[in-house]
Amino acid sequence: DIQMTQSPSSLSASVGDRVTITCQASQDISNYLNWYQQKPGKAPKLLIYDASNLETGVPSRFSGSGSGTDFTFTISSLQPEDIATYYCQQYDNLPPRYTFGQGTKLEIK
Amino acid sequence: EVQLVESGGGLVQPGGSLRLSCAASGFTFSSYDMHWVRQATGKGLEWVSAIGTAGDTYYPGSVKGRFTISRENAKNSLYLQMNSLRAGDTAVYYCARESRTGGGFDYWGQGTLVTVSS
Repeated sequence: DIQMTQSPSSLSASVGDRVTITCQASQDISNYLNWYQQKPGKAPKLLIYDASNLETGVPSRFSGSGSGTDFTFTISSLQPEDIATYYCQQYDNLPPRYTFGQGTKLEIK
Repeated sequence: EVQLVESGGGLVQPGGSLRLSCAASGFTFSSYDMHWVRQATGKGLEWVSAIGTAGDTYYPGSVKGRFTISRENAKNSLYLQMNSLRAGDTAVYYCARESRTGGGFDYWGQGTLVTVSS
């Protein structure tokens, strides 16, 4: 099974800061990588699909990049409402398998 | 508006069974792959099962042979039959719709809590 290693596990940043989270796959997953935001007590929300595509309605300060085994999620200018836990998720099609990273808890400094 | 509403969670003893339901509305349910994802308190997300539009089913090793996902398109409903439950199955269970673009889950329910304890 493919393992996803997400880092850091927690992060403290100031409003306006550029924030970066990384996710590494144990083997080549092409661009089959999605990013989610989860606020306390709420269901996750899809932000980025296929490594770099912004989901409809998601602010443009969120972006993703990478392919193969190394991926990056970036918030260009941190806003107070971005406080949440962020997860990467890879998917396989043959057979279908879906694996989440361990999560990154983002806090305001 | 797309809505997914889970029900059926509760307290069950180890070794017991429980059936979760997810009522879907606001989209053509039969045209989408559907999933169950769980989250133990304070922990990360774990994919639990998937069902395709043709009724094909998929599971990770942690639940294979114990959990069964099914769908009833006429009722716009998704189900998860959970047998031989263990303390480690305690979690909030979410149903989720798989996006048509990529393997992401674009809509989620609010979740239903399953507690396995004696």
